[in-house]
Amino acid sequence: GENVEQHPSTLSVQEGDSAVIKCTYSDSASNYFPWYKQELGKGPQLIIDIRSNVGEKKDQRIAVTLNKTAKHFSLHITETQPEDSAVYFCAAPLKAAGNKLTFGGGTRVLVKP
Amino acid sequence: SAVISQKPSRDICQRGTSLTIQCQVDSQVTMMFWYRQQPGQSLTLIATANQGSEATYESGFVIDKFPISRPNLTFSTLTVSNMSPEDSSIYLCSVRDGREKLFFGSGTQLSVL
Repeated sequence: GENVEQHPSTLSVQEGDSAVIKCTYSDSASNYFPWYKQELGKGPQLIIDIRSNVGEKKDQRIAVTLNKTAKHFSLHITETQPEDSAVYFCAAPLKAAGNKLTFGGGTRVLVKP
Repeated sequence: SAVISQKPSRDICQRGTSLTIQCQVDSQVTMMFWYRQQPGQSLTLIATANQGSEATYESGFVIDKFPISRPNLTFSTLTVSNMSPEDSSIYLCSVRDGREKLFFGSGTQLSVL
């Protein structure tokens, strides 16, 4: 069926190292790919997004890459800091969901000082 | 981006009762949505709140259980009716800003005893 799969479900990194989260999607017509960060007790916050007409987008320590052929996109966090510890969600619009955003299962990131 | 205020932020309710959650946006928005996030899980769309007409519910969600109001372009309510412990979740209001960016409120943490 149509879905968005996210890996890994948990990720533990040492402060200063990089973290990479990958999502795959099933609908080749999907054209918008956001990433959200959710801290404990808060709603998800949009941190970066990319449209299908570009392959990479960067904002300070975070970047998103998109491979439309393979139907996957990834979030890269460099020089991780303890405040990067949170749950991260990817999403994509799927035709089967009326082109509404469908979310991945989430990745719990823990940055160890 | 729009500022989304949601209340209550949390509540503990008895089984069989109902709770109404309010969502206020600081600007007029066309698209408003309600999501549920079960403990440790991803985000699931409950319904699209349509201004001046009945909400559009996703598969698995019904109006009798989750009645929604949307009296104007800045306000919506979600009621969780006849609650059971299985309804314990975070409920999130969200708005679409322009064509595709989705923003979330801070959520309502509901616990049903």
